[in-house]
Amino acid sequence: DVKVTQSSRYLVKRTGEKVFLECVQDMDHENMFWYRQDPGLGLRLIYFSYDVKMKEKGDIPEGYSVSREKKERFSLILESASTNQTSMYLCASSPWGEGGNQPQHFGDGTRLSIL
Amino acid sequence: DAKTTQPTSMDCAEGRAANLPCNHSTISGNEYVYWYRQIHSQGPQYIIHGLKNNETNEMASLIITEDRKSSTLILPHATLRDTAVYYCIVRYSGGGADGLTFGKGTHLIIQP
Repeated sequence: DVKVTQSSRYLVKRTGEKVFLECVQDMDHENMFWYRQDPGLGLRLIYFSYDVKMKEKGDIPEGYSVSREKKERFSLILESASTNQTSMYLCASSPWGEGGNQPQHFGDGTRLSIL
Repeated sequence: DAKTTQPTSMDCAEGRAANLPCNHSTISGNEYVYWYRQIHSQGPQYIIHGLKNNETNEMASLIITEDRKSSTLILPHATLRDTAVYYCIVRYSGGGADGLTFGKGTHLIIQP
């Protein structure tokens, strides 16, 4: 089974702190994704990466950055946390398949609260 | 992603088959039908996907109509742990990574 592991299930940080969310997958997938999920707004893509050291902005990249130094690990960084970044953060991965026809597999999420 | 329409909620008795419908009347020929579910406070879980033919795996079966305008996800023997929100989406089969967009989904409640 595909395993996507997020470093924390729950995290509480203060406004202005630099926050690191870590994600590791064990299936040698090329693609990795960071989403946030908020009630009434659904799933929104922050950043994704299709290879080591490569990154692409999603729909809401402002206030975030990412790092992918190794294939299995994709980090999301909140440069200076703000209260509007309180959310559920979800990491996903997928292989590079023929025609892009490959499902994304998700971790259990990190519920981040910024006080 | 093309738009899909699902019922807001459904009930099913434990042990019975749960049949979840999805309409995707504007689906293109190169778009797949995907199903995910999300149990409360957990990440979304991939269930199954298909293009034209019916598909079955260890979790569920996917029945796609011949005109591809609708599909049904079947959980053959529903258990209480199948209570979740189920999302039906269509995705372009072309190359490249892209983000998923979920609609409101169907809240399936399995009754004991």
